[in-house]
Amino acid sequence: GENVEQHPSTLSVQEGDSAVIKCTYSDSASNYFPWYKQELGKGPQLIIDIRSNVGEKKDQRIAVTLNKTAKHFSLHITETQPEDSAVYFCAASSYGANSKLTFGKGITLSVRP
Amino acid sequence: ETGVTQTPRHLVMGMTNKKSLKCEQHLGHNAMYWYKQSAKKPLELMFVYNFKEQTENNSVPSRFSPECPNSSHLFLHLHTLQPEDSALYLCASSQERGRGTEAFFGQGTRLTVV
Repeated sequence: GENVEQHPSTLSVQEGDSAVIKCTYSDSASNYFPWYKQELGKGPQLIIDIRSNVGEKKDQRIAVTLNKTAKHFSLHITETQPEDSAVYFCAASSYGANSKLTFGKGITLSVRP
Repeated sequence: ETGVTQTPRHLVMGMTNKKSLKCEQHLGHNAMYWYKQSAKKPLELMFVYNFKEQTENNSVPSRFSPECPNSSHLFLHLHTLQPEDSALYLCASSQERGRGTEAFFGQGTRLTVV
């Protein structure tokens, strides 16, 4: 089955700096890669996703890149703000009746004011 | 507010109790999921229902029993739990399993087994 690894497990950045979170996956059949943000006391919320036919996607201060050959994808947050502090999860899945999202362990991002 | 509502938000139960978690979605989705979230571990998929049919039981102990009476409601019945079952239980929904579409999560039920 799919295995998703997420590195590092914690990340601390100064407000205004950029943050990069990296994930690797094992199943070459995976073709959908969402990123979730989980704030304290809340469920995970999708912030951006990418499909395998695209190499990069941007939405304001966040972007995701995908390298299918190397089987890794990354989340980039620019101009970080204290409200970006949360746990971020990457996930991967394929299409098909038996597909399921496989999540990484999550990374705790702290943005220092 | 994601459109997925879970109740209760917090639950403390003894090992001999029976309780149920409830999940409701108003998004018109056809797939619903139960996940277990424990500290320092990835989200663990427990059960999947697609068009009210259970399509996944990820080797979950029988003390957890899901029920999906319709596409909008999902229950997780709990019976004779163990302290290691203490975790955040998350419900999610998506348009349809296998379509690679966004999963929307509820806020979870924080379960403590004493």
